Amino acid sequence: EAQVTQNPRYLITVTGKKLTVTCSQNMNHEYMSWYRQDPGLGLRQIYYSMNVEVTDKGDVPEGYKVSRKEKRNFPLILESPSPNQTSLYFCASSPRVGRNTEAFFGQGTRLTVV
Amino acid sequence: AQSVSQHNHHVILSEAASLELGCNYSYGGTVNLFWYVQYPGQHLQLLLKYFSGDPLVKGIKGFEAEFIKSKFSFNLRKPSVQWSDTAEYFCAVSPISGGSYIPTFGRGTSLIVHP
Repeated sequence: EAQVTQNPRYLITVTGKKLTVTCSQNMNHEYMSWYRQDPGLGLRQIYYSMNVEVTDKGDVPEGYKVSRKEKRNFPLILESPSPNQTSLYFCASSPRVGRNTEAFFGQGTRLTVV
Repeated sequence: AQSVSQHNHHVILSEAASLELGCNYSYGGTVNLFWYVQYPGQHLQLLLKYFSGDPLVKGIKGFEAEFIKSKFSFNLRKPSVQWSDTAEYFCAVSPISGGSYIPTFGRGTSLIVHP
């Protein structure tokens, strides 16, 4: 089944404790992206990747890191999480960006930083 | 850079009422347009999309949207809503020219349908 898989689905952590949220897609998509969803703010893009070893900042990259060593994986790293990073995170992928493409979303990761 | 504006943040309707959710975007070039739906506790799912051709597009579950290029709008409609349509709806725009194809989402509209 074609899908985007995020893990974990739920995570509670403490301020400053490094964490990684994994994202994997099995559709051989070139483009992958991370969003955070907050009430009243919609989805805001954190980082995106056009292909392996190619990543770029989105609208709200501060406090996050990403890597794209393989086409299928795009982990989101919080080196020193803070409470303002408590949010719902979504990973998305698409075959490419440009004409006639759409994004496929993972199930989401609800992160709470205390 | 492009931006997306969804006019209604919260909409409350009774079953069988008609729905129209507004979406306007700002971008000077050609775009792909999308509506995504997020049911409570779930991820975003594609409701419908416009790439080219007929500006009136039909999606799943009886939803449709009309692209009006002169107004930079892509409003979502449904003639008769059901309780199961309770969800959050996001309009998204993806430019296909100018070298930046990154999709931008609106802030979302929360729809509650009372039985």
